[in-house]
Amino acid sequence: DAGVIQSPRHEVTEMGQEVTLRCKPISGHNSLFWYRQTMMRGLELLIYFNNNVPIDDSGMPEDRFSAKMPNASFSTLKIQPSEPRDSAVYFCASRREAHEAFFGQGTRLTVV
Amino acid sequence: SQQGEEDPQALSIQEGENATMNCSYKTSINNLQWYRQNSGRGLVHLILIRSNEREKHSGRLRVTLDTSKKSSSLLITASRAADTASYFCALSYNTDKLIFGTGTRLQVFP
Repeated sequence: DAGVIQSPRHEVTEMGQEVTLRCKPISGHNSLFWYRQTMMRGLELLIYFNNNVPIDDSGMPEDRFSAKMPNASFSTLKIQPSEPRDSAVYFCASRREAHEAFFGQGTRLTVV
Repeated sequence: SQQGEEDPQALSIQEGENATMNCSYKTSINNLQWYRQNSGRGLVHLILIRSNEREKHSGRLRVTLDTSKKSSSLLITASRAADTASYFCALSYNTDKLIFGTGTRLQVFP
């Protein structure tokens, strides 16, 4: 397996634009997590899915953020409209229940 | 808060010395995991310890868990320059939620 695959690796966009981050989890994993990492706030859990169903989105900062998991092999995190304070590294991770999580390489987002 | 608190925030040691990092938490967990992150990279899983376990080993890593004190420690023995990284504890709850701690930045000098 190629591991968790995220795209793009880097994204630079202007304030107000829509940004879509993509994630392909490891086949057979039933949980998928989206995290955001910044120097100030560390590694924050934004949302996680179990069997493609969103279980806890309490970490999503505001309505500008939305996440979907239409099937077991794909998830998106969308920011619309983007703001400079959204600049961070966004990680996707997947795991089988009660096992270790595997992380993607992350998407470094810069909003100017 | 469900987040673990790690200490120290930063640790600098010489090669060959041991490094100990601690993680404390407030609510009961299903298991606790330790991860490593090299600068600019994704997190890599190191070791998982379940709530009914007290100690686990993996190579030069030793993890302990004290559920009565709600704390865990990660010991890296005979450290190497290549161990330089940030180390995070992650708390897994019954809902399968996985919450990461604040992290310890380890610097190992050759």
